[in-house]
Amino acid sequence: KAGVTQTPRYLIKTRGQQVTLSCSPISGHRSVSWYQQTPGQGLQFLFEYFSETQRNKGNFPGRFSGRQFSNSRSEMNVSTLELGDSALYLCASSLEGGLRTEAFFGQGTRLTVV
Amino acid sequence: AQSVTQLDSQVPVFEEAPVELRCNYSSSVSVYLFWYVQYPNQGLQLLLKYLSGSTLVESINGFEAEFNKSQTSFHLRKPSVHISDTAEYFCAVTLGNLFFGTGTRLTVIP
Repeated sequence: KAGVTQTPRYLIKTRGQQVTLSCSPISGHRSVSWYQQTPGQGLQFLFEYFSETQRNKGNFPGRFSGRQFSNSRSEMNVSTLELGDSALYLCASSLEGGLRTEAFFGQGTRLTVV
Repeated sequence: AQSVTQLDSQVPVFEEAPVELRCNYSSSVSVYLFWYVQYPNQGLQLLLKYLSGSTLVESINGFEAEFNKSQTSFHLRKPSVHISDTAEYFCAVTLGNLFFGTGTRLTVIP
């Protein structure tokens, strides 16, 4: 069974640009969550999608958005990039999400904003 | 509110020595607790989890953690570490989404 796939693995963007990151969950998983990992703030929850609907949202500005398609694949978009958006972005998938469900993580997309 | 505190940011230990990585949580509701491991340039891998039942949980590679409700702790232990255990370890609680601690970098010294 293939794991969670995130593309691209590495990305360099300029301040002010926008970026789209992609996540393909494990087959059969309907919940996809996104996390931002930085040395200063650690791992922070961005949002969760389940059955194409955003079910939960962290405390990030509106420049961060996402969506989920009918095949459960998810994309995350960051507009008007800032230097502080440089981070490792991790996607996690699970069967149904929720309290007891195990989350499986992808290898992440490392975004560098210059 | 939920939070997770990992008391040690870095833990160096000699190969074959025991190790304990500390994790304390605070929560106003029942918790489900997890330990994840992150190797360099990789995502997170689930090491073990406590959902209910026995307070001692074990992983396949020799790690174990004990849920202690009275001390609100979920410390991770291994009786004898290997070089390949060098990684960053994250404790997490969940209330739908995961809340992570700041991580403990375990370095195993040959």
